[in-house]
Amino acid sequence: DQQVKQNSPSLSVQEGRISILNCDYTNSMFDYFLWYKKYPAEGPTFLISISSIKDKNEDGRFTVFLNKSAKHLSLHIVPSQPGDSAVYFCAALTTGRRALTFGSGTRLQVQP
Amino acid sequence: GAGVSQSPSNKVTEKGKDVELRCDPISGHTALYWYRQSLGQGLEFLIYFQGNSAPDKSGLPSDRFSAERTGGSVSTLTIQRTQQEDSAVYLCASSFSSGRGETQYFGPGTRLLVL
Repeated sequence: DQQVKQNSPSLSVQEGRISILNCDYTNSMFDYFLWYKKYPAEGPTFLISISSIKDKNEDGRFTVFLNKSAKHLSLHIVPSQPGDSAVYFCAALTTGRRALTFGSGTRLQVQP
Repeated sequence: GAGVSQSPSNKVTEKGKDVELRCDPISGHTALYWYRQSLGQGLEFLIYFQGNSAPDKSGLPSDRFSAERTGGSVSTLTIQRTQQEDSAVYLCASSFSSGRGETQYFGPGTRLLVL
């Protein structure tokens, strides 16, 4: 039973356009959410996070939106660059637990 | 500074053999995690160490899996009597503490193939 779901295995966008990666979760106890980026043959690297008390967090070209009522979050990348091409994982935490629960990832390809 | 390192980077073994995977966390990091990623799946939590506290083993899939962390630093994940379904990338991560805002830094992983 996947508690964190990324229903789009892949996404392709043109350089300069917006990339929107989506993530849904089922566990209402999740209260902290993160996005990680992974290049081939490397470990995931932290990108951005959001606490459940917020609905938006922005860091440069990256913005994460959280809709608690819909149990949905999204990562927006504007403008997209070819170097953003990677697999993006959504992850979540519950209070008192330190292990991350990950989605299955979305492969983003940014076309030059 | 050095990041999280893991060895070996690749391991091919025969079904039924035991394997040991090593993780060297970032110096000074008190928390250490093991995850694995099977083909087409997300990362799955296995075990978590925090300082001298008892590890959280709730993610270990069977008693064939065990892990140690010696001296609060290096960790070894051992899989006994390997099965083909154990084939996956095993990822280690460390963080400065176990605070929820603490970033987990991942190593490059060990790709395990059980024939």
